[in-house]
Amino acid sequence: AQKVTQAQTEISVVEKEDVTLDCVYETRDTTYYLFWYKQPPSGELVFLIRRNSFDEQNEISGRYSWNFQKSTSSFNFTITASQVVDSAVYFCALSDANAGNNRKLIWGLGTSLAVNP
Amino acid sequence: ETGVTQTPRHLVMGMTNKKSLKCEQHLGHNAMYWYKQSAKKPLELMFVYSLEERVENNSVPSRFSPECPNSSHLFLHLHTLQPEDSALYLCASSQGSGWAYEQYFGPGTRLTVT
Repeated sequence: AQKVTQAQTEISVVEKEDVTLDCVYETRDTTYYLFWYKQPPSGELVFLIRRNSFDEQNEISGRYSWNFQKSTSSFNFTITASQVVDSAVYFCALSDANAGNNRKLIWGLGTSLAVNP
Repeated sequence: ETGVTQTPRHLVMGMTNKKSLKCEQHLGHNAMYWYKQSAKKPLELMFVYSLEERVENNSVPSRFSPECPNSSHLFLHLHTLQPEDSALYLCASSQGSGWAYEQYFGPGTRLTVT
């Protein structure tokens, strides 16, 4: 069965610290997609990144970086030099790319990140 | 201006009321979704529409009734709700209905059932 685990429920850091949010997934599919979304206090989830299972290259976008490791079934997210505006709940999600009647996006429970000034 | 808008942002209703949630996407997407977000639970997919046809209904109680009159609008009609239905209801859209597409979310409607 597919599953996404975000073991860190809440993280609190001081501004300018680096912080890594963990995401571990389970799937028996060979083709799948992984996502990260951010949910600020305003409520809407904001898409951050999508990675397919055949692309293990790490990704960097400004202060954000993602480390995808199939060997450990992990897709971790690092924020470098965190800022107060990074305070939000971050969700990791897994999808089955072999579309069928049971296709769905499996969501983690989210990690609440508080960046304090 | 956000790509997906939802109204109202907050709603308090009694168990015997009938109300509707509205979602509109301005992104030219073909698929739209309703999700329920409750504390300490994973995001729950309720309904999926692709090109105005319902393609998925995840065993949602009949007191929730979706409507998709066109690819830009999605409604969720509510009637005789229960207190446990209190939650944040999120609408989303994507370019296609396959699960490889990223979804764009609205700000949600915070629903309280009294």
